[in-house]
Amino acid sequence: NAGVTQTPKFQVLKTGQSMTLQCAQDMNHEYMSWYRQDPGMGLRLIHYSVGAGITDQGEVPNGYNVSRSTTEDFPLRLLSAAPSQTSVYFCASSPGPTSYEQYFGPGTRLTVT
Amino acid sequence: KNEVEQSPQNLTAQEGEFITINCSYSVGISALHWLQQHPGGGIVSLFMLSSGKKKHGRLIATINIQEKHSSLHITASHPRDSAVYICAVPNGGGNKLVFGAGTILRVKS
Repeated sequence: NAGVTQTPKFQVLKTGQSMTLQCAQDMNHEYMSWYRQDPGMGLRLIHYSVGAGITDQGEVPNGYNVSRSTTEDFPLRLLSAAPSQTSVYFCASSPGPTSYEQYFGPGTRLTVT
Repeated sequence: KNEVEQSPQNLTAQEGEFITINCSYSVGISALHWLQQHPGGGIVSLFMLSSGKKKHGRLIATINIQEKHSSLHITASHPRDSAVYICAVPNGGGNKLVFGAGTILRVKS
């Protein structure tokens, strides 16, 4: 199993550009989440999904969209990038909700200039 | 909203020392996670526990549900243990976790 994969590993965007961060898992997990990690702060939940076709907002959803058309994939879209979205983004999956082990992807480092 | 506090923020130890990292939270929970983030950035799950104690190799995690407190212990620490250690707890329904800011551990040889 590849586990949780994320692409790209690094990305530089100009303010106003849009892009999609890809996340895929091959463990047949129902639960998937997107987090951002900023210096000095804990990971913060952006959006999450409890199954194909079901998504919900986390703590910091503004400026991001998600969809979950398949169990395997959970892409994160930045609609119009802003410097405040410079961060490291992690995707995670788990076989159940928060009392189950979480599996993290390797992260995407995004810089918005 | 559940609040998570970790201490210490930074910890430097000599190889072989016994290390304790603490995590406190504000709202009752069903489970608590300890995670490790290596300098390369990858995050791995160390423990998920809801009561008592768990042990894996030189790592031990304990939780006191009544006191809303958990500790992560590392026995006979080694430079390869140098990493950021993060605790996380559920924050409402769905799949919401809230994370501590992390403890940066450096073990010197």
